[in-house]
Amino acid sequence: QQQVKQSPQSLIVQKGGISIINCAYENTAFDYFPWYQQFPGKGPALLIAIRPDVSEKKEGRFTISFNKSAKQFSLHIMDSQPGDSATYFCAAAISRGAAGNKLTFGGGTRVLVKP
Amino acid sequence: ETGVTQTPRHLVMGMTNKKSLKCEQHLGHNAMYWYKQSAKKPLELMFVYSLEERVENNSVPSRFSPECPNSSHLFLHLHTLQPEDSALYLCASSQFLAGGGYEQYFGPGTRLTVT
Repeated sequence: QQQVKQSPQSLIVQKGGISIINCAYENTAFDYFPWYQQFPGKGPALLIAIRPDVSEKKEGRFTISFNKSAKQFSLHIMDSQPGDSATYFCAAAISRGAAGNKLTFGGGTRVLVKP
Repeated sequence: ETGVTQTPRHLVMGMTNKKSLKCEQHLGHNAMYWYKQSAKKPLELMFVYSLEERVENNSVPSRFSPECPNSSHLFLHLHTLQPEDSALYLCASSQFLAGGGYEQYFGPGTRLTVT
């Protein structure tokens, strides 16, 4: 059973536009929500992460919005650039004990930014 | 070498072969992971080692056998694989903390093809 559902599977946006990726989770015990970015031929790399005690976190052009009651969180990429073209994965984890090592990933979104 | 390295980067093996994938982390972390990445299941956790003890075995077939001889090295021994095992195998490491260690650093992966 997939515990983190991610949409859309792919996204095409014009340079300067906003890319929006959504994730929904089922397990209410999750309390850490990172986003990873993966370029072709590379492993995923942490982009930004949020905890449920805040509703929004911004780092540069990347913003996470979090809705605890709806069990949803999203990544917004503002002023999208061709260099942002990559696959993005949301993830969730329970931060306590040994389970804090285990990330559950969404299915990924392939983003293409057209110049 | 910095970060997380994996060798080989590409591997083609027959179904009767035995091979091993190697991962080395140069970050001083105490937890290491194997993931399988394929078109069907983009990021599937296979094994977790924390403080050199296996703490997670995610219902992985016995034809995959992990080994963690020390906190810096992780191996995945492969034998009698099936064509459906063809995928990108990613290694990751993190610093496990009592309150939960979160950020995982990924290697570039080994692209495995089973013929």
